[in-house]
Amino acid sequence: GESVGLHLPTLSVQEGDNSIINCAYSNSASDYFIWYKQESGKGPQFIIDIRSNMDKRQGQRVTVLLNKTVKHLSLQIAATQPGDSAVYFCAESNDYKLSFGAGTTVTVRA
Amino acid sequence: NAGVTQTPKFQVLKTGQSMTLQCAQDMNHEYMSWYRQDPGMGLRLIHYSVGAGITDQGEVPNGYNVSRSTTEDFPLRLLSAAPSQTSVYFCASSSQRGAKLQETQYFGPGTRLLVL
Repeated sequence: GESVGLHLPTLSVQEGDNSIINCAYSNSASDYFIWYKQESGKGPQFIIDIRSNMDKRQGQRVTVLLNKTVKHLSLQIAATQPGDSAVYFCAESNDYKLSFGAGTTVTVRA
Repeated sequence: NAGVTQTPKFQVLKTGQSMTLQCAQDMNHEYMSWYRQDPGMGLRLIHYSVGAGITDQGEVPNGYNVSRSTTEDFPLRLLSAAPSQTSVYFCASSSQRGAKLQETQYFGPGTRLLVL
């Protein structure tokens, strides 16, 4: 089965609010994690990554948190905008292989 | 830079036909990979390559062949297409950090394949 999964398949958020997307992984040997955004009809687009020697990393309006104790990854999007509507995937890397979760569809309400 | 390019964008095949999905990157990346994405699911790794002349299997390799004769190109071959191979195929590339994949992968726009 899949080693990476997202807790919720869909998330509806009001424009301007913060979004939190969660992901659980099962492979404790994974040492690199990535969040991707995929818009309809396009390939996944890199958002932010984090290595296992860190527990938090911030980008522009996005923050990734890694909790290795409970094997949990989250993506926080500040001040969610309509352009943030997409499917979000977490992925974990073990050696040369990248495993993806099923994705969370984020819909931003105006 | 064009990044990662894939051709064709769309393809319809009949069961048993063969075809090659093309992938090219101009970023001089060592690592290249192929994924398939089925409706409502995440991407699953088919094959990957850590450099010219080196390929290995991913999670779902059956029915697919790859080769890596140059750094730039990584074609995916379906020798005898089956309806179960109807999917969207993505190619990706990445630089590498030492002996592990520790840099982000850049994805192409995808090839939508329908096998009748």
